[in-house]
Amino acid sequence: GNSVTQMEGPVTLSEEAFLTINCTYTATGYPSLFWYVQYPGEGLQLLLKATKADDKGSNKGFEATYRKETTSFHLEKGSVQVSDSAVYFCALIRGGSEKLVFGKGTKLTVNP
Amino acid sequence: DVKVTQSSRYLVKRTGEKVFLECVQDMDHENMFWYRQDPGLGLRLIYFSYDVKMKEKGDIPEGYSVSREKKERFSLILESASTNQTSMYLCASSLYIREYTQYFGPGTRLTVL
Repeated sequence: GNSVTQMEGPVTLSEEAFLTINCTYTATGYPSLFWYVQYPGEGLQLLLKATKADDKGSNKGFEATYRKETTSFHLEKGSVQVSDSAVYFCALIRGGSEKLVFGKGTKLTVNP
Repeated sequence: DVKVTQSSRYLVKRTGEKVFLECVQDMDHENMFWYRQDPGLGLRLIYFSYDVKMKEKGDIPEGYSVSREKKERFSLILESASTNQTSMYLCASSLYIREYTQYFGPGTRLTVL
């Protein structure tokens, strides 16, 4: 079946540190891949997405590249800020399906 | 901007009560979804709807039902609330089946005593 595995948290970083949150997936066909972010007390917001192999999604300084050969979609940011503290979810949707499949989320805390 | 609103941010109910959670979207989206979010389990799909009066079960439909009488509104119903339904409930919508971006509401934190 389709599944998403992302690194266990929590992750704690200092401001301006480099961030990587690993995400790997298992899926039939050619899924689209997403990163969603959930700030404290809020719903999920789409952070970025990629719909085919080698696509790079980017937004707010975050990037992730769709790597079909390694079935990965790792989230990176070169310099995190305190305001990036949130829970990050990796997700996929298989072509022809309406259902998002989520990872369990990674909580990021950035300290000043 | 797409806006998805949920009727309550916080709700406290008693075991056995019938509970209605309402979700409204203002962008004429065909698809609407209900998830529950629990620590360590992530988001799990309860039900979704791809058209008015149409619904499909998600991964954990037991103990829940849904209603979609109008395109913009999707209700989640707990017929007889139980303590194991204490959770955060998130509603989402998307434009049509092949537009994959789902837009989420702020969530309803339901506590069943």
